[in-house]
Amino acid sequence: AQSVTQPDIHITVSEGASLELRCNYSYGATPYLFWYVQSPGQGLQLLLKYFSGDTLVQGIKGFEAEFKRSQSSFNLRKPSVHWSDAAEYFCAVGARSSNTGKLIFGQGTTLQVKP
Amino acid sequence: DAGVTQSPTHLIKTRGQQVTLRCSPKSGHDTVSWYQQALGQGPQFIFQYYEEEERQRGNFPDRFSGHQFPNYSSELNVNALLLGDSALYLCASSLKAGLQETQYFGPGTRLLVL
Repeated sequence: AQSVTQPDIHITVSEGASLELRCNYSYGATPYLFWYVQSPGQGLQLLLKYFSGDTLVQGIKGFEAEFKRSQSSFNLRKPSVHWSDAAEYFCAVGARSSNTGKLIFGQGTTLQVKP
Repeated sequence: DAGVTQSPTHLIKTRGQQVTLRCSPKSGHDTVSWYQQALGQGPQFIFQYYEEEERQRGNFPDRFSGHQFPNYSSELNVNALLLGDSALYLCASSLKAGLQETQYFGPGTRLLVL
């Protein structure tokens, strides 16, 4: 079955510290991979995406993610967290097919930033 | 460039009632997807509309139906509301150009069923 697992439900880091949010997926083939961020009461904002090519992708707000096929992972990283990064982060996968536009999301990781 | 817009922002209904939620896609987009996000959960795919037809459907009952208009805007209808339908309903738009359909999300409609 297709699924996305975000093992960490809640993470707290100090402002200025580095961050890594984990994402593992189960899929029949290499999917498209996305990270979205959701601030309280808001919709989802796309941080970055992986379709093909370089497995290290850069996104907005200083975020990056690395696709590791052997580990079925797509972890999100940021070298120095800012207080404004506190939000909920979702990893999602989509099929490499024109017949389906469904995205499968993980349960999300809530990031808290300590001053 | 207007992003995805949704209306209303909040809605309160009672069990058994019907509700209609509306979505206007990002300029230039022709495909609309709907997701349900329960509290503390990730979004769950309801269905997707392209060329005014339902293209794919998730694991939701027939009480959930939709429509897409010629201008690409879309409606989500839910009949016979249940308490469990309380959630944030998200609309996402994309452009069916090849295989890479990045979905951009609206702010959502928060539905409370009493």
